[in-house]
Amino acid sequence: QVQLVESGGGLVKPGGSLRLSCAASGFTFSDYYMSWIRQAPGKGLEWVSYISSSGSTIYYADSVKGRFTISRDNAKNSLYLQMNSLRAEDTAVYYCARVGYGDYDLDYWGQGTLVTVSS
Amino acid sequence: QSVLTQPPSVSGAPGQRVTISCTGSSSNIGAGYDVHWYQQLPGTAPKLLIYGNSNRPSGVPDRFSGSKSGTSASLAITGLQAEDEADYYCQSYDSSLSAFWVFGGGTKLTVL
Repeated sequence: QVQLVESGGGLVKPGGSLRLSCAASGFTFSDYYMSWIRQAPGKGLEWVSYISSSGSTIYYADSVKGRFTISRDNAKNSLYLQMNSLRAEDTAVYYCARVGYGDYDLDYWGQGTLVTVSS
Repeated sequence: QSVLTQPPSVSGAPGQRVTISCTGSSSNIGAGYDVHWYQQLPGTAPKLLIYGNSNRPSGVPDRFSGSKSGTSASLAITGLQAEDEADYYCQSYDSSLSAFWVFGGGTKLTVL
């Protein structure tokens, strides 16, 4: 069965960096586009970044552009999010999600990893 | 402020029918992009509930249904059950913004 397992979250000071990972299993990872979505405490869902199956096409939300970098390693069935210059407003649970074959749906989600930016 | 607009909360008694609306604009739902719905049970990750406006993934009960018309979409839940109490989010794609995947603000469903 499809599994997405995020890791790498934690407490970091403003201005600091963190690298999130998402380990995929149960499907052919290299066939699928992937995304990161975040959810601030008590708030709704916010799309963060997208990467195509080969990694050749990447998009970012304005709120993270220039600070976050998405990447993937298809040989390791893994998705990454490098987060630099972190701010308090980046505090959230970060989910990796698989982009389905439909019209931009997100058909499987990981359990999430909490990132807390605080001094 | 979310790109897609949902009511903050809805409620209904067990066995009743409730609907959740999702209103967008001509650059997302009205542009022809599909609407998808996610259910987030307390303390868990979102789960795809409806895709492509009205399709249910395997395992989702047929008590859940979706529709789309113009710049809006709706999620209907019939025969409400206690385990349906959750947050529900609509999602579409927007061609005019740099936030390509856009979500509604979420609707908290309370089963009375």
